[in-house]
Amino acid sequence: DVVMTQSPDSLAVSLGERATINCKSSQSLLSRSNNKNYLAWFQQKPGQPPKMLILWASSRQSGVPDRFSGSGSGTDFTLTISSLQAEDVAVYYCQQYYGVPVAFGQGTRLEV
Amino acid sequence: EVHLVESGGGLVQPGGSLTLSCAASGFIFNDYYMTWVRQAPGKGLEWVANIKQDGSAKYYVDSVKGRFTISRDNAKNSVHLQMNNLRAEDSAIYYCARNFETDYWGRGTLVTVSS
Repeated sequence: DVVMTQSPDSLAVSLGERATINCKSSQSLLSRSNNKNYLAWFQQKPGQPPKMLILWASSRQSGVPDRFSGSGSGTDFTLTISSLQAEDVAVYYCQQYYGVPVAFGQGTRLEV
Repeated sequence: EVHLVESGGGLVQPGGSLTLSCAASGFIFNDYYMTWVRQAPGKGLEWVANIKQDGSAKYYVDSVKGRFTISRDNAKNSVHLQMNNLRAEDSAIYYCARNFETDYWGRGTLVTVSS
């Protein structure tokens, strides 16, 4: 089974500053057949369900602000928030959907 | 607009059973895998099970194999999770999500397993 490990577990960033969250998978998530990485990022605010921000490692979902960006390939991935806003305070999860069991990272709590 | 509404949660004793349901709307239901994900209080996300568009393939996390059964009714745009022999560690909010990669989520239904 693929294991997803995020770092750090928690992160405090000032408003307007950059936030970076890392995610490492125990196996490559890059498909040779379509050259896509089966990696998604989610944001979860208190009392709400998770919201998908990015899929295929770097494709923003419709309506997601462009301050959110995803990068990486293979086993190492990064979610970057270029200029932190107050509404970005949340827990962030990476997810591999390369195969079953689908797996999430343990989450990174982002605070101001 | 994609809309997913879970129901069926509640308090159940250890060893008991519960069936969760998810009503879907706003998309062509039988074009998508459907997934259940759970979240224990204050904890992270755990993928539970998913089911292929036509129901021909079903996958489960090891901890629920043999106890949980996922099913779908494409005529009624719904997906279900039958949970048997429930344990305290099954207590969580159970979310229904669209697609293999869980691109849209419902608000969840709370399952509490306790005597």
